[in-house]
Amino acid sequence: EPEVTQTPSHQVTQMGQEVILRCVPISNHLYFYWYRQILGQKVEFLVSFYNNEISEKSEIFDDQFSVERPDGSNFTLKIRSTKLEDSAMYFCASTKSTSNYGYTFGSGTRLTVV
Amino acid sequence: AQKVTQAQTEISVVEKEDVTLDCVYETRDTTYYLFWYKQPPSGELVFLIRRNSFDEQNEISGRYSWNFQKSTSSFNFTITASQVVDSAVYFCALSEAYTTSGTYKYIFGTGTRLKVLA
Repeated sequence: EPEVTQTPSHQVTQMGQEVILRCVPISNHLYFYWYRQILGQKVEFLVSFYNNEISEKSEIFDDQFSVERPDGSNFTLKIRSTKLEDSAMYFCASTKSTSNYGYTFGSGTRLTVV
Repeated sequence: AQKVTQAQTEISVVEKEDVTLDCVYETRDTTYYLFWYKQPPSGELVFLIRRNSFDEQNEISGRYSWNFQKSTSSFNFTITASQVVDSAVYFCALSEAYTTSGTYKYIFGTGTRLKVLA
């Protein structure tokens, strides 16, 4: 079964450093998402992306966050200057069509900011 | 505003017991989708089911069943004859049915941690 692949599975970074979280969506999917889950809490929407543009973003997704699809396969989330409160599990998801059949999530990247 | 409430923070059952996880939602939309996801200890999010607001039929898949009651805004999930492998956090989520952009934002509940004891 096709998978959404996220790398790395765990990243530790120092406060103030830039991090890039990488995702390879399923190849024929067109709609992409990032979600965040602070440890032990609920999963929260960050941003959706289609046709090389952000479709919607949440209040969490402030100026320190950016997303990019640099080539035909990768979808990245960049955090410019990490803060302690950015420590969380970050999930990438993708969908194929405009019909809402449910996301395929990646296995997540656990980001730890020290 | 849309909201999903999973009032049960943690449930413990003994293997082979039945268990029901509650989900109550709020939305002003007349059409919407509801989902359940499983998050095992390994951390990934596994899709279990999608239900659209038009369809109030209950669904059964093996030991899993779902009861959608539009009148009470609830979408409860029952596991019959629970097994240790069912131990996980279960999330209920709500989404709009149609968007102009084609992308859909999910509103998740806070999750219910299910512990199945051998």
